[in-house]
Amino acid sequence: AQKITQTQPGMFVQEKEAVTLDCTYDTSDPSYGLFWYKQPSSGEMIFLIYQGSYDQQNATEGRYSLNFQKARKSANLVISASQLGDSAMYFCAMRVGNQGGKLIFGQGTELSVKP
Amino acid sequence: ETGVTQTPRHLVMGMTNKKSLKCEQHLGHNAMYWYKQSAKKPLELMFVYSLEERVENNSVPSRFSPECPNSSHLFLHLHTLQPEDSALYLCASSQGFGGLGYGYTFGSGTRLTVV
Repeated sequence: AQKITQTQPGMFVQEKEAVTLDCTYDTSDPSYGLFWYKQPSSGEMIFLIYQGSYDQQNATEGRYSLNFQKARKSANLVISASQLGDSAMYFCAMRVGNQGGKLIFGQGTELSVKP
Repeated sequence: ETGVTQTPRHLVMGMTNKKSLKCEQHLGHNAMYWYKQSAKKPLELMFVYSLEERVENNSVPSRFSPECPNSSHLFLHLHTLQPEDSALYLCASSQGFGGLGYGYTFGSGTRLTVV
């Protein structure tokens, strides 16, 4: 069965510092995609970054990077130079080849950035 | 403007009421989804529509009734709900149903309270 696990319910980080949010996944399908979303208090889910299972390099998008360790089945999100506006819930999600496209989400991590 | 618009943003309804949630996307996507987000729980996929046809119903109680009249609109009709149905209901759309690299675009959600 496919599963996404985020073990950090809440995280604190000082403004301007880097923070890593953990995500592990489980699937037996060799084809899958991993996503990170940000959910501010307004409720909207905002797409941040994507990593495909066959991608050779770690994905990066501005201050976001994905530390993809395939053998460990982990896809941690790294946010560099944290800003106050980064305070939000962060969700890791996976889409697998045999699941008809549906996204499976982890429990989320609540990030608080301190000034 | 996210491209996926949900109305209303907030809804309070009694257990005997009938109401509908509306979702509209202007992205030309061909798949639409309803998710339920309860406190302290991962997002739960409720329904999936591809090309206006329902392709998945994740054992959702019959008091939730989806409708997809065209590829741009998705409704969730609600009747005789229970207090435990109180949650944030998120609509999403995607292009390339089944394609691993295609993420979802989410609306801002409808925060539903059943009293």
